[in-house]
Amino acid sequence: EVQLVESGGGLVQPGGSLRLSCAASGFTFSSYDMHWVRQATGKGLEWVSAIGTAGDTYYPGSVKGRFTISRENAKNSLYLQMNSLRAGDTAVYYCARGQGGSPDVWGKGTTVTVSS
Amino acid sequence: DIQMTQSPSSLSASVGDRVTITCRASQGIRNDLGWYQQKPGKAPKRLIYAASSLQSGVPSRFSGSGSGTEFTLTISSLQPEDFATYYCLQHNSYPPWTFGQGTKVEIK
Repeated sequence: EVQLVESGGGLVQPGGSLRLSCAASGFTFSSYDMHWVRQATGKGLEWVSAIGTAGDTYYPGSVKGRFTISRENAKNSLYLQMNSLRAGDTAVYYCARGQGGSPDVWGKGTTVTVSS
Repeated sequence: DIQMTQSPSSLSASVGDRVTITCRASQGIRNDLGWYQQKPGKAPKRLIYAASSLQSGVPSRFSGSGSGTEFTLTISSLQPEDFATYYCLQHNSYPPWTFGQGTKVEIK
């Protein structure tokens, strides 16, 4: 069974850092692009970052320079290092597998709260 | 950046109704579009990829159409389990991948 399990969320102060992890199983992790997508409470979905199979990375302007996506294929793991966090980064963060250009399988999400 | 505009933002419908949701792209995106369903407290689920291809395991009452700048998700006969929020996502020109703002389908 294809599965993605996020971890690492929590409460952090503005300006702080947090590292999210996503453990993948049930598929050949190294063969797929991977994404992070977030959703603030009561709001829509917002794409946060992506990493290709060759390690190429992509970010929207809202997080570029603050967030870093990475992958460790030997551990079937995806990461999101988040620095200089702001209140506006508060959301549920989902890890998702890319297939056919868009995410197909999603994890259940991990909650990040940025507050003093 | 490509903007995706979904309409309507919400709708009320009855079980058995035919429901249509539209997504318009600010520029042509060929057929590089997916549709997602999200229920409260749950992760999104991909229903349609490449604008009109049905994701494995998704009921055939869901269908997608369109190319270029205008796309449609149709539910041919709304079922109780279909009440949810639906999103489109373009992946033609990135970054960023961009979602529509969502359409909430509620019970009339």
